[in-house]
Amino acid sequence: DADVTQTPRNRITKTGKRIMLECSQTKGHDRMYWYRQDPGLGLRLIYYSFDVKDINKGEISDGYSVSRQAQAKFSLSLESAIPNQTALYFCATRGMGGEQFFGPGTRLTVL
Amino acid sequence: QQQVKQSPQSLIVQKGGISIINCAYENTAFDYFPWYQQFPGKGPALLIAIRPDVSEKKEGRFTISFNKSAKQFSLHIMDSQPGDSATYFCAAKDSGGSNYKLTFGKGTLLTVNP
Repeated sequence: DADVTQTPRNRITKTGKRIMLECSQTKGHDRMYWYRQDPGLGLRLIYYSFDVKDINKGEISDGYSVSRQAQAKFSLSLESAIPNQTALYFCATRGMGGEQFFGPGTRLTVL
Repeated sequence: QQQVKQSPQSLIVQKGGISIINCAYENTAFDYFPWYQQFPGKGPALLIAIRPDVSEKKEGRFTISFNKSAKQFSLHIMDSQPGDSATYFCAAKDSGGSNYKLTFGKGTLLTVNP
């Protein structure tokens, strides 16, 4: 079984809809991250969390919110989706050595 | 402000050739430099990483060369294979207050022709 899982893997939605992307991990890591990937722009950090009570904004948090329901679960929400939020979204965890472990990604399309 | 500059954006290499991807940085507080490999439809996965106390690290066909004075590091893929075709990201971690995160380059799409 994969250590970091994301659901859904693909989602098409309309402008103005609320969307939630979910991430679960079995690695036992405290630190979790949400990234956005766009062609030619690399990976940009949206939010990160050190534990259930510690959530922080990343570089591009506007238009997004997160919830850390448990050590193993970290969800990303788009309260009112817009077309320029069309992207690949990745969840990641971080081990003690600094390595980040990424999930398989969610491809989100906002029409 | 782009803290890690990666080049080239795309690279085409023949099977058996050497692929070279370069990254440059400005922040002298960076203390960990990983390379991630991403196949289509997959998340990035750690390929190889180096710390600034060594100038080179080799794992199989993959080598990181690190030049601390020039603030540059590069990934060399020897005997490139079609299976190496993927997007490669360099990254860096700050040793200071921002050590919770990795700063990524924009990625290089490598295509290895058979």
